[in-house]
Amino acid sequence: EIVMTQSPATLSVSPGERATLSCRASRSISSNLAWYQHKPGQAPRLLIYGASTRATGVPARFSGSGSGTEFTLTISSLQSEDFAVYYCQQYNNWRPGLTFGGGTKVEI
Amino acid sequence: QVQLVQSGAEVKKPGASVKVSCNISGDTFTDSYIHWVRQAPGHGLEWMGWINPNNGGSNSAQRFQGRVTMTRDTSITTVYMELSRLRSDDTAVYYCARDFKIRGFSDYWGQGTLVTVSS
Repeated sequence: EIVMTQSPATLSVSPGERATLSCRASRSISSNLAWYQHKPGQAPRLLIYGASTRATGVPARFSGSGSGTEFTLTISSLQSEDFAVYYCQQYNNWRPGLTFGGGTKVEI
Repeated sequence: QVQLVQSGAEVKKPGASVKVSCNISGDTFTDSYIHWVRQAPGHGLEWMGWINPNNGGSNSAQRFQGRVTMTRDTSITTVYMELSRLRSDDTAVYYCARDFKIRGFSDYWGQGTLVTVSS
């Protein structure tokens, strides 16, 4: 099983600041990585797939990068609605199983 | 507009089973898989398995094998996830999620179903 590790667990930032979230895979997953935003009481929302492609309707302040084992989600200028938990998810050779990272909570 | 609408909250006793439904509208079964993902209180997202609504084929995470059954009813575009031999640590919000074009990630999600396991 591919293990996904996210860091930091919690990121404290102020509105308008830049946030950088990391995700590491235990072995290469090429660019088969998605990022989701999850707010309490809501369903997760797809932000990024293919490591760097924004999903429909996702603001340009969200960007993803990386390949292989190291990935980054950057929020260029945090808005109040961006405070949430962010998860990475690998889907390389996924039919045996998908795996999520443990999440990064972005808080004020 | 694609929508996934799940059944309501459930309270079950340890050892019982629960069956959660997920009705899909605005989409065709032919192009998608449905994943089941759960989130226990204070924990992250955990993938449970997928079902191919076209032929009923499915696969589940190893830790759920033998306890989870995923089925579908194509006549009402609904998929089901049944979890048996419930334990207290199965208390969680369960989500269904659409994987369009079977790529491995999910673009539309159900609203979630809270399953509480308590004696």
